[in-house]
Amino acid sequence: QLQLQESGPGLVKPSETLSLTCTVSGDSISSGGRSYFWGWIRQAPGKGLEWIATTSFAGEMYHNPSLKSRLTLSVDTSKNQFSLKVSSVTSADTGVYYCAKERRDGFNYVDQWGPGILVTVSS
Amino acid sequence: DIVMTQSPLSLPVTPGEPASISCKSSQSLLYTNGFNYVNWYLQKPGQSPQLLIYLNSNRASGVPDRFSGSGSGTDFTLQISRVEAEDVGIYYCMQPLQSPWTFGQGTKVEIK
Repeated sequence: QLQLQESGPGLVKPSETLSLTCTVSGDSISSGGRSYFWGWIRQAPGKGLEWIATTSFAGEMYHNPSLKSRLTLSVDTSKNQFSLKVSSVTSADTGVYYCAKERRDGFNYVDQWGPGILVTVSS
Repeated sequence: DIVMTQSPLSLPVTPGEPASISCKSSQSLLYTNGFNYVNWYLQKPGQSPQLLIYLNSNRASGVPDRFSGSGSGTDFTLQISRVEAEDVGIYYCMQPLQSPWTFGQGTKVEIK
């Protein structure tokens, strides 16, 4: 059974870079071919959901334009992991960050979610 | 970006009674293949969201048949035929037609 697990610092200082990694277990990150992507979604405290970005195992990427200039995505198939970096963070970047498996072959949906990791931006 | 607007934002429900949530999109979600690109998710308290409905009316694996989705174009509805206590949480509609994928504000369903 596929599982996703986020990891990274829970506290980041303003203006610094937030770095998160998602470890995939129970399946290979490249097994879905071009149908499946590996993405990030966040939820500010008490707020709704915001889709951030996604990558295929081969490096095809899509970003939310509102964040694109600050985002770096990467995938490491040898470790079955993918990662997100958000630079120049502010308090507005505080929230729960979810990594997720997305289907993008016409049957578009977020298939599975990790449990989420709370990241607080504060000095 | 496509804006998704849900109503109501809060929905007290009685177990055994039906419930309905509306979702309106700022652009048509009907694609040339005939499918409406709207999904529904439920975030139970303390949990990650889970997929309920994809492509407007298709229940995800394991989702009870009391959940159904309908609509077309810009107006969509999630219906629960008979609410159960385990259905409490926040329901989100989401459009996966155009990047960036966007979500509604959420509808909080709670038992009266």
